[in-house]
Amino acid sequence: GIQVEQSPPDLILQEGANSTLRCNFSDSVNNLQWFHQNPWGQLINLFYIPSGTKQNGRLSATTVATERYSLLYISSSQTTDSGVYFCAVEPRDSGYALNFGKGTSLLVTP
Amino acid sequence: GAVVSQHPSWVICKSGTSVKIECRSLDFQATTMFWYRQFPKQSLMLMATSNEGSKATYEQGVEKDKFLINHASLTLSTLTVTSAHPEDSSFYICSARDAKTGGLNYGYTFGSGTRLTVV
Repeated sequence: GIQVEQSPPDLILQEGANSTLRCNFSDSVNNLQWFHQNPWGQLINLFYIPSGTKQNGRLSATTVATERYSLLYISSSQTTDSGVYFCAVEPRDSGYALNFGKGTSLLVTP
Repeated sequence: GAVVSQHPSWVICKSGTSVKIECRSLDFQATTMFWYRQFPKQSLMLMATSNEGSKATYEQGVEKDKFLINHASLTLSTLTVTSAHPEDSSFYICSARDAKTGGLNYGYTFGSGTRLTVV
């Protein structure tokens, strides 16, 4: 099956710093999404981004499908950004179901 | 748009009993829903694909007799953990996408999850 690798696995930032999270995938995909999982377990859909670039406030994401990677940028980080960020892909040949990476655990300190 | 409601949020049950978890798409229809399981500090693992009006498709290693899935309508799928044991304690999350749009613009939406503790 498709492999989804996220880096770094853990990240500690001081409030106000910027960061880049990376997601590499091993095969062609129909869909790629970035999620933020809050302390209560809720998965918040940040971006639906099978290709191209999108921005939403302090967050932006870029997917280069031909090179099989995606990047999530967090600017001016806040303590509320803490949590686990997951990249998930829908393989092109499966048609359904997202396959998740292992996530990046982010802690933003005051 | 694209809201998925999951209930209950948490449940504690005695070993040997069964627990039912509901997953509803509130503002769209879903011919397919997905059930995931997440252990502490780990990623989400797909358990099964729930198909409206037909049998669920289970991932390798998932016991279909223990995790019963029913997708009786285009907006409701249920997961029943039968004869639960402590090792079934976990966080269960459902997911769906709009059948009409194929998830265009939103992709997959997830429920808020159910934390199951078996004592």
